[in-house]
Amino acid sequence: AQSVTQPDIHITVSEGASLELRCNYSYGATPYLFWYVQSPGQGLQLLLKYFSGDTLVQGIKGFEAEFKRSQSSFNLRKPSVHWSDAAEYFCVLGPNAGKSTFGDGTTLTVKP
Amino acid sequence: NAGVTQTPKFRVLKTGQSMTLLCAQDMNHEYMYWYRQDPGMGLRLIHYSVGEGTTAKGEVPDGYNVSRLKKQNFLLGLESAAPSQTSVYFCASSYGYQGGQPQHFGDGTRLSIL
Repeated sequence: AQSVTQPDIHITVSEGASLELRCNYSYGATPYLFWYVQSPGQGLQLLLKYFSGDTLVQGIKGFEAEFKRSQSSFNLRKPSVHWSDAAEYFCVLGPNAGKSTFGDGTTLTVKP
Repeated sequence: NAGVTQTPKFRVLKTGQSMTLLCAQDMNHEYMYWYRQDPGMGLRLIHYSVGEGTTAKGEVPDGYNVSRLKKQNFLLGLESAAPSQTSVYFCASSYGYQGGQPQHFGDGTRLSIL
């Protein structure tokens, strides 16, 4: 069975500081991995995706993620956080047979 | 392009009432999904469809029914609403079966059952 774990339920960073959100997955083959962001009262928006090839993936809004097969991880990073980045972030694995597996999400708070 | 549109955006029901949530997508996507989102529980798949005329159960299907009579529409029905169904409901669609196709989400329907 496939699974996704986001170990941090809530993270607080200061504006301008760097950010890393952790994601670990369990899957028996090459995974398809995604990061989505959800602003309050909104739906989920795709930040970036990994299929194969380069292990460092660039996304929108200045985000990037690094795929590490040996660690079964796909961590999201941003060098300098802006107040508008405050949101909930979801790591997603799949789809497998049409269905995706979502992590439980990490809520990011940005301090001024 | 509108993408994925959900109606209504908000609704309050009394226990035992029925209602239908509508999802429409204009991207010619084959796959459509209904999720519910509850605090601390992420997104849970209720039902999904792999094409017009097909539906399948997800992780939490009990108390819900769905229909996909047209490719662009995916309806979620609550026959007899219960307080446990108070949640935010999201519809999503994706291009196809092949791995790596991202899902596109609507803005959600906030449903309260009193």
